[in-house]
Amino acid sequence: NAGVTQTPKFQVLKTGQSMTLQCAQDMNHNSMYWYRQDPGMGLRLIYYSASEGTTDKGEVPNGYNVSRLNKREFSLRLESAAPSQTSVYFCASSDRLADTQYFGPGTRLTVL
Amino acid sequence: ILNVEQSPQSLHVQEGDSTNFTCSFPSSNFYALHWYRWETAKSPEALFVMTLNGDEKKKGRISATLNTKEGYSYLYIKGSQPEDSATYLCAFRAGGTSYGKLTFGQGTILTVHP
Repeated sequence: NAGVTQTPKFQVLKTGQSMTLQCAQDMNHNSMYWYRQDPGMGLRLIYYSASEGTTDKGEVPNGYNVSRLNKREFSLRLESAAPSQTSVYFCASSDRLADTQYFGPGTRLTVL
Repeated sequence: ILNVEQSPQSLHVQEGDSTNFTCSFPSSNFYALHWYRWETAKSPEALFVMTLNGDEKKKGRISATLNTKEGYSYLYIKGSQPEDSATYLCAFRAGGTSYGKLTFGQGTILTVHP
């Protein structure tokens, strides 16, 4: 039982490049979330998915898109990366909306 | 945007000291208050989920109380140990249209010196 996994662990992009961050959970959770963590800002919700087939914007969705591919997987896409998107990205999942959330190990993204 | 504040921002204590910190959140439209523990280079891990005014939760030497009417929660650590060093996050869940979203505070960074 791996819990929540994220790939890649580290990534460096140039401004304007695109990439997809992958997240998968094996706990049969309905809800999944993407957060970014910046110094002094805490965890901020980018997008979430209440259940398979649904996605909703969080606090800071601009510049991102998401796909809930199936119940296990929830990906985050940066279409045209900007230096302001340099951050650590965490994926999380929960059994029901906003019950205890279980976090992945994070992806450290640097945009030059 | 919901305002969730934690204080102090950081705290240094000696091994064996007891300590506490505060999470303030909106007192209206309350649904739940979460506490997480976040060690350096790891992921946040859940400590407590609190839903009722007056709730008290305990896990080993760590306990938490909740006052939804005045909008605050306290986290207490009794007899701090170096392994308690971490960032402690609280997160507020509102009811109604904010269903599903957790708003996190900025965290309290605790350092316990041997």
